Amino acid sequence: GAVVSQHPSRVICKSGTSVKIECRSLDFQATTMFWYRQFPKQSLMLMATSNEGSKATYEQGVEKDKFLINHASLTLSTLTVTSAHPEDSSFYICSAIPGHRDAGIQYFGAGTRLSVL
Amino acid sequence: KQEVTQIPAALSVPEGENLVLNCSFTDSAIYNLQWFRQDPGKGLTSLLLIQSSQREQTSGRLNASLDKSSGRSTLYIAASQPGDSATYLCGKMIYNQGGKLIFGQGTELSVKP
Repeated sequence: GAVVSQHPSRVICKSGTSVKIECRSLDFQATTMFWYRQFPKQSLMLMATSNEGSKATYEQGVEKDKFLINHASLTLSTLTVTSAHPEDSSFYICSAIPGHRDAGIQYFGAGTRLSVL
Repeated sequence: KQEVTQIPAALSVPEGENLVLNCSFTDSAIYNLQWFRQDPGKGLTSLLLIQSSQREQTSGRLNASLDKSSGRSTLYIAASQPGDSATYLCGKMIYNQGGKLIFGQGTELSVKP
């Protein structure tokens, strides 16, 4: 099956630093990728939709200057948490839809645990 | 507002028992309904996907149903095993939203040996 790789799996950083998370589709091209955020014991909340070659579409309430998304190729999207603060600590998960759409199947990365001290 | 609700939030059963997880959603403008498994600290693993034109899908011990008119989907797990312990999430994909999924809160399942 299709594989989505997310890196790093865990990051601990100091408050005020920026953190970049990568999401790669390893064996398919993904014109669309999604970034989700998950707090403990809660569901996944969509942050933004990342489209290759165009600006990301952010969900209401998500600061686009805080969470920078770049989808520079058909296999890579990055999420940069700028000037991270403790309240940004969370589990971030990406997903990707193959270019041929495959009837809506979405493939998820393993997630990144961000801890901001 | 699109909402997806899962009941119960947590469930504990003895090994071997059959069980049903519930997912309800508002608005019948659904493209598909997906069930996922999430192990602690991990990403999501797709279990079953039901297109809006379908009523159920089966994979091994799992069977998922979809009733658009009532806004409900169920995930049936037969002969549960300790390895089935995980959080189960349902996600609704809406038409013309570029593939966005709206998730329920999940059901945390614990199967006791």
